[in-house]
Amino acid sequence: NAGVMQNPRHLVRRRGQEARLRCSPMKGHSHVYWYRQLPEEGLKFMVYLQKENIIDESGMPKERFSAEFPKEGPSILRIQQVVRGDSAAYFCASSDGTRSNEQFFGPGTRLTVL
Amino acid sequence: KNEVEQSPQNLTAQEGEFITINCSYSVGISALHWLQQHPGGGIVSLFMLSSGKKKHGRLIATINIQEKHSSLHITASHPRDSAVYICAVRSNTDKLIFGTGTRLQVFP
Repeated sequence: NAGVMQNPRHLVRRRGQEARLRCSPMKGHSHVYWYRQLPEEGLKFMVYLQKENIIDESGMPKERFSAEFPKEGPSILRIQQVVRGDSAAYFCASSDGTRSNEQFFGPGTRLTVL
Repeated sequence: KNEVEQSPQNLTAQEGEFITINCSYSVGISALHWLQQHPGGGIVSLFMLSSGKKKHGRLIATINIQEKHSSLHITASHPRDSAVYICAVRSNTDKLIFGTGTRLQVFP
């Protein structure tokens, strides 16, 4: 039973390019969460999605960032026109939405913006 | 003031020592997680608890809901326990709110 998968594990982009980060939840999980860890800082919530729905996007920057979790395929976190300050580790977690709703984390994508 | 506070921020220990990391929170929660992160590495969930105490190997986690406080204990610490330990509370809207982490180094 594969865990949460994220790809790519490392991504390098130049300023102004787009970054697409993918997250495949654990089998049977329909809830996905994205978190960001800036260098030398703690983890911060970005967005919570269920299949085809955004449940809570209160942690998403107002511009350039978007997330989706389509009916088929992985969840995508998209960052347009990246800037150096977007360099961070982006972690995805998934849960099954049951009463315990425990979140399991992926290995993260480390984004470096040159 | 952060909603989740951890102490200490940094901790060094000799192999074999008993270690305690503390976490206090100020918001309503449905559960509390203890997570482990190695340098440059992923995040591993150690415990999720909403009451009482849980034990897994040399790790013990406790929570006091009334006092809004949790502790993570490591017995007979080992250099491989060196990592950042993160307390995270699950809000009533299911998102996690994280502490800033405790960096533990265990020396042989």
